[in-house]
Amino acid sequence: QVQLVQSGAEVRKPGASMRISCKTSGYSFTGYHIHWVRQAAGQGLEWMAWINPNSGSTIYAPKFQGRVSTTTDRRTTTAYLDLTRLTSDDTAMYYCTRGVRSYATGPWGQGTLVTVSS
Amino acid sequence: SNELAQIPSVSVAPGQTAKITCGGSDVRRESVHWYQQRAGQAPVLVLYDDRDRPSGIPERFSGSKFGTTATLTISRVEAADEADYYCQVWDSSGDHCVFGSGTSLTVL
Repeated sequence: QVQLVQSGAEVRKPGASMRISCKTSGYSFTGYHIHWVRQAAGQGLEWMAWINPNSGSTIYAPKFQGRVSTTTDRRTTTAYLDLTRLTSDDTAMYYCTRGVRSYATGPWGQGTLVTVSS
Repeated sequence: SNELAQIPSVSVAPGQTAKITCGGSDVRRESVHWYQQRAGQAPVLVLYDDRDRPSGIPERFSGSKFGTTATLTISRVEAADEADYYCQVWDSSGDHCVFGSGTSLTVL
């Protein structure tokens, strides 16, 4: 079955960087886009980035431009999210999810909790 | 504006029908997708392209759209339907994804 399994929780200090991984299985990795979405505690969903694993093309939400990068490794069918210059506002659960029709997404990874604290 | 507005909360008794709306200018021209997020879990796609159900989603979940408002309808509501529901579109003019603010469904 289709699965997206994310890396474990991380704690970072303000100003630091983070990298989250999303290991996929059960489908053709290059046939589906990957999206990254985050959710602060008690808040709604916030879209961050999109990548086409086949071409490597990316799109980033304007809010994160210059701080965010997403990449994929076709050999290991893994996607990565990098976020730099972290602040406490970046404390959130981060999700990867597979793009399907018309940019709907599913399934989702289990989430990676990132805590930014001094 | 590319915001999607949702009513913060809806309450319904078991067996009744819940309607959750999503409004915005993008709704008129873009496909609307809906997600269910139970407490402590990752979101799950329940409707895509305004009204289509992924495999495994009960027929009790249906969707419609008129003008700038999309509606997720849950018939014969069950306790397990208690969750947050988010609408989503891909803004093709700006090339980015937009989520609604979310609606918390409480089953009384």
